[in-house]
Amino acid sequence: GQNIDQPTEMTATEGAIVQINCTYQTSGFNGLFWYQQHAGEAPTFLSYNVLDGLEEKGRFSSFLSRSKGYSYLLLKELQMKDSASYLCAVMDSNYQLIWGAGTKLIIKP
Amino acid sequence: SQTIHQWPATLVQPVGSPLSLECTVEGTSNPNLYWYRQAAGRGLQLLFYSVGIGQISSEVPQNLSASRPQDRQFILSSKKLLLSDSGFYLCAWSGGGKDTGELFFGEGSRLTVL
Repeated sequence: GQNIDQPTEMTATEGAIVQINCTYQTSGFNGLFWYQQHAGEAPTFLSYNVLDGLEEKGRFSSFLSRSKGYSYLLLKELQMKDSASYLCAVMDSNYQLIWGAGTKLIIKP
Repeated sequence: SQTIHQWPATLVQPVGSPLSLECTVEGTSNPNLYWYRQAAGRGLQLLFYSVGIGQISSEVPQNLSASRPQDRQFILSSKKLLLSDSGFYLCAWSGGGKDTGELFFGEGSRLTVL
């Protein structure tokens, strides 16, 4: 079966750095996505990785290792507004998105 | 620019009542359209997707149905709601084809079945 694993919840301090991991086992791979979802709202796109390596976008970076079936989302200089759930999703060989359950990130002052 | 809207935002329905959620996309043509459901603490569950008018693929057998009467309109329906249908429903679109597949979501509809 296809599976996406990410931690259920993480806590970090304002101004710090946090890394949210995602491991996947899917039938084929056509890219990995990270979305941010604030409580009660729709997910919004953060990043897309299809090749190995690090993609940096401001305070957020996303890393991919296809051989290890592994990705992480790195958030720097955390702000209170970063409190949200972070969803990892993989596009399989049929171009269908397989979603993780999301990681709830709690930021403390 | 492209926009997506879905409604209603919130609804409370009794068991056995019908349901209709509507989603429209503006600013693009022939989008791929999706209906997802999100239960608390669980990943997004794909319910239906459509690559064109009248073309609906169902991912999960259930008492829900979807229709695409127009290119940029996607409707989620039920004739008789179950308690288990409660959840957060999200409509989304993508550009289609073998692009990155980035999804753009509507605002979401929170359904409570009592």
